[in-house]
Amino acid sequence: DAKTTQPPSMDCAEGRAANLPCNHSTISGNEYVYWYRQIHSQGPQYIIHGLKNNETNEMASLIITEDRKSSTLILPHATLRDTAVYYCIVRVRGGAQKLVFGQGTRLTINP
Amino acid sequence: DVKVTQSSRYLVKRTGEKVFLECVQDMDHENMFWYRQDPGLGLRLIYFSYDVKMKEKGDIPEGYSVSREKKERFSLILESASTNQTSMYLCASTPGLAGTYEQYFGPGTRLTVT
Repeated sequence: DAKTTQPPSMDCAEGRAANLPCNHSTISGNEYVYWYRQIHSQGPQYIIHGLKNNETNEMASLIITEDRKSSTLILPHATLRDTAVYYCIVRVRGGAQKLVFGQGTRLTINP
Repeated sequence: DVKVTQSSRYLVKRTGEKVFLECVQDMDHENMFWYRQDPGLGLRLIYFSYDVKMKEKGDIPEGYSVSREKKERFSLILESASTNQTSMYLCASTPGLAGTYEQYFGPGTRLTVT
């Protein structure tokens, strides 16, 4: 699996867009970018995934650069409940695969 | 929405007790997983199941067993609880053998063994 690099922590003001970067320079052609988050003392939560096109769902947007070596998760209007550790993972799709988290980014939303 | 529920949020057991943790999902997913999560060690896979009555060992199966008698239910059993099994236990499910990497997690069970 390609390695990912994320900043250890970020702050964002409530109501503003939170932009979380992820570098995955060794990503291969059949690997997807997945994002999860984990709010303190809760189970991880799937957010979004993409291959090469930008993706949007009710939770977030995912912007993947044209060379696919990096991506950005965007929470358009961050709330206090978005305070969590965010994990970027690069994996091929398919099969019953275990989830492996790196260190992630601890995002703090400030009032 | 996918819903994964776990039988308890918090559990306190004594050393040597047999412990049952139950997980139920309501989306007809084929694959179910049991992880434990500890500070500094991240998520570690204990067992997973890709079908009823089918199971595969994960990375740390020692001291645990599992049961999947019905598609929606996956149980984790600690045969004789020990203090080093104090942890957060997380159940997850995902659809399809040729499926996806979107795993849906339950709220977790924080188990303390004294």
